[in-house]
Amino acid sequence: KQEVTQIPAALSVPEGENLVLNCSFTDSAIYNLQWFRQDPGKGLTSLLLIQSSQREQTSGRLNASLDKSSGRSTLYIAASQPGDSATYLCAVSSGNTPLVFGKGTRLSVIA
Amino acid sequence: DVKVTQSSRYLVKRTGEKVFLECVQDMDHENMFWYRQDPGLGLRLIYFSYDVKMKEKGDIPEGYSVSREKKERFSLILESASTNQTSMYLCASKAGGAADTQYFGPGTRLTVL
Repeated sequence: KQEVTQIPAALSVPEGENLVLNCSFTDSAIYNLQWFRQDPGKGLTSLLLIQSSQREQTSGRLNASLDKSSGRSTLYIAASQPGDSATYLCAVSSGNTPLVFGKGTRLSVIA
Repeated sequence: DVKVTQSSRYLVKRTGEKVFLECVQDMDHENMFWYRQDPGLGLRLIYFSYDVKMKEKGDIPEGYSVSREKKERFSLILESASTNQTSMYLCASKAGGAADTQYFGPGTRLTVL
């Protein structure tokens, strides 16, 4: 059974710092991996989706990488801002089956 | 833009009541999902549906049922609400392709007293 782990569970950084969030999964036979953002008390917003054949995806200050063989993905946030404070979740898909989610990393960017 | 709406943002019910949570999506998506989210436990899948009138159990279906009579609407039913069903409930939808993004609604915070 696929398991997704995100470390650390919480992270606090000063504004302007570059940071990396980590995601690992146990079964490398994935179809794609998705990163989401969740603000307190709200739903999830999709940030980036990486297909299994891709190595990375970029959107603005966000860059997500995927190493399928080692079961790892990272989300890189450049020049962090207080508005980036949120919980970030990664999720993997093994085809047309429901996503399996990690428990998230709660990020605080301090002004 | 894909829109997934949930009938209530906040709901307070009493133990034993029958509770309906409604979810509607406007993008003609085949797949719809119900999750609950609790501190320390993350997102857990309750039920999902690949098509109208079709449903599949997720990881924690006990105490819940679902209904999908129309493609755009997926309802979660708590037959007899209990205090351990106090949680944030999130609905999501996705088109039929495996490569497609999953879109979430804003969530319903349910409190069972």
